[in-house]
Amino acid sequence: KAGVTQTPRYLIKTRGQQVTLSCSPISGHRSVSWYQQTPGQGLQFLFEYFSETQRNKGNFPGRFSGRQFSNSRSEMNVSTLELGDSALYLCASSRGTGVQETQYFGPGTRLLVL
Amino acid sequence: AQSVSQHNHHVILSEAASLELGCNYSYGGTVNLFWYVQYPGQHLQLLLKYFSGDPLVKGIKGFEAEFIKSKFSFNLRKPSVQWSDTAEYFCAVRPQTGANNLFFGTGTRLTVIP
Repeated sequence: KAGVTQTPRYLIKTRGQQVTLSCSPISGHRSVSWYQQTPGQGLQFLFEYFSETQRNKGNFPGRFSGRQFSNSRSEMNVSTLELGDSALYLCASSRGTGVQETQYFGPGTRLLVL
Repeated sequence: AQSVSQHNHHVILSEAASLELGCNYSYGGTVNLFWYVQYPGQHLQLLLKYFSGDPLVKGIKGFEAEFIKSKFSFNLRKPSVQWSDTAEYFCAVRPQTGANNLFFGTGTRLTVIP
């Protein structure tokens, strides 16, 4: 079974630009969560999508948004990029959202903002 | 607010030494607990998890963890480490509130010297 895939793997942008990252969950998984990983703040939850609906959102500004498609693939968008948005963005999928669920992580997209 | 503490930032051990990595969390309700590992250049992988039942859980590669509810702790252990265990280890907590987001500790970098 293929794991979680994320594209692109690396990205360089400049301040003020916007960026879209993509995540394809494990086949059969309907929940997709996004996390930001930085050396200073560690791993922080961005948001979770299930059945095309955002179920939960972390403490990030509105510049960070996402969506999920009917095939469970998800995208996240960051508008008006800032230097501090440089990070590794991780996507995780799980079958559902129940208390017994386990999240499996993709390799991440490394974003560098210049 | 929920928080997860990993007090050891960097641990250096010789091969065959025993390992214990601390993890404490602050949350008054029921939680699910996880340890993830990130090997150099690889993505986050699940080591083990605790949902309920026996507080001593066994994971992959000889790792185990013990949930001590009274101490809000979920420490990771391995009797004899190998050079291949060199990696970063993350403790994560998910409160059983219905939301599927994980709260991560800042990670512990383990270096095993051959």
